[in-house]
Amino acid sequence: SAVISQKPSRDICQRGTSLTIQCQVDSQVTMMFWYRQQPGQSLTLIATANQGSEATYESGFVIDKFPISRPNLTFSTLTVSNMSPEDSSIYLCSVPGEGTEAFFGQGTRLTVV
Amino acid sequence: GEDVEQSLFLSVREGDSSVINCTYTDSSSTYLYWYKQEPGAGLQLLTYIFSNMDMKQDQRLTVLLNKKDKHLSLRIADTQTGDSAIYFCAALYNQGGKLIFGQGTELSVKP
Repeated sequence: SAVISQKPSRDICQRGTSLTIQCQVDSQVTMMFWYRQQPGQSLTLIATANQGSEATYESGFVIDKFPISRPNLTFSTLTVSNMSPEDSSIYLCSVPGEGTEAFFGQGTRLTVV
Repeated sequence: GEDVEQSLFLSVREGDSSVINCTYTDSSSTYLYWYKQEPGAGLQLLTYIFSNMDMKQDQRLTVLLNKKDKHLSLRIADTQTGDSAIYFCAALYNQGGKLIFGQGTELSVKP
């Protein structure tokens, strides 16, 4: 199994600022995924981060708003840029297991005021 | 596109069985999962089933898969108040290995 550490676990940010969320995995993985869970909603995939290439964004998400870095096989960051209250959500990173599981970090609870 | 649907609420009495249902659209899904999320907590993987199986049992949990109808269910036997949570169904898609989640079913267990 994979152990995923996310930082920060929570933050309260001013609108117009940016927050970078870090995701560290205890093993090397090819793909890492970033999800958003808006209040009372399900999880929505933001993007897939592959090491050595640009992230692949899902419909409705763009690189300017959610830039992603993937400098190596154990680490990724997601930045939420120019935040507004609508960005208040839980952001989770995930890595696939050996085809049987998907492992999730504990999430970053973001509140934008 | 890919879609996973669940009913939003289920209320049962303690000791009864709970059945949470899920439908999905992409027949190429290789794995289907059930996650539990308690208030303020992260996602906990409860169980999963591979697409070539039709049933999997794990203690109080039974997963049934009808691949023809693209229907998945989670049965919790002897439901306890500690089972109160939101349960998410998710499908793993071969394309990119991403998970598509249902809306979540809020299970309320009354004493």
